[in-house]
Amino acid sequence: DSGVTQTPKHLITATGQRVTLRCSPRSGDLSVYWYQQSLDQGLQFLIQYYNGEERAKGNILERFSAQQFPDLHSELNLSSLELGDSALYFCASSPELTSGPRGEQFFGPGTRLTVL
Amino acid sequence: AQKVTQAQTEISVVEKEDVTLDCVYETRDTTYYLFWYKQPPSGELVFLIRRNSFDEQNEISGRYSWNFQKSTSSFNFTITASQVVDSAVYFCALSELQGGSEKLVFGKGTKLTVNP
Repeated sequence: DSGVTQTPKHLITATGQRVTLRCSPRSGDLSVYWYQQSLDQGLQFLIQYYNGEERAKGNILERFSAQQFPDLHSELNLSSLELGDSALYFCASSPELTSGPRGEQFFGPGTRLTVL
Repeated sequence: AQKVTQAQTEISVVEKEDVTLDCVYETRDTTYYLFWYKQPPSGELVFLIRRNSFDEQNEISGRYSWNFQKSTSSFNFTITASQVVDSAVYFCALSELQGGSEKLVFGKGTKLTVNP
């Protein structure tokens, strides 16, 4: 157990809908990262927040947005969903801006999103 | 841009065989970090190792060993005396610094199946 929690575990929705994925980082970690794992694109970095501020952006679509709240939990909002958005969405956390003292980002169990 | 190539898509071995998973990377950074993560069938991402670009010493941890060769931009992973529990998808990743923060660039992964 990495200490990072993600809810929900599974989400099934329809095209055109909007969903929110939630992530609670490990206690004390200030950085939260979001990754998308899909069959065709593999594991891709989406976005990073550090202590409430956006710090790095990857291949995140404009239909997607994220935020980190004062209690450091983060939410990833996906809107106007398309079939191709079906994927496993991971959240990871680390103590600082870059990977922690041992170097790793601690990954949550993921949220599996299915768009029908 | 950073790139990680895991040329082996799938590998199948019989228990107790040794197996090496290849990872080749591209980066223009002089300081970078390389990682290996394991994704068992349950889906979570488990951190295995992190190496920095200045430390080319090989590392051994139990049945796992890593061979980092800067000259060939490779960071290969060997499992000695493989076991059924080693069956998983293994990802090699490279850190990419962006504005003081860091994201991970993952390879496509190698699916390892260890048969009894």
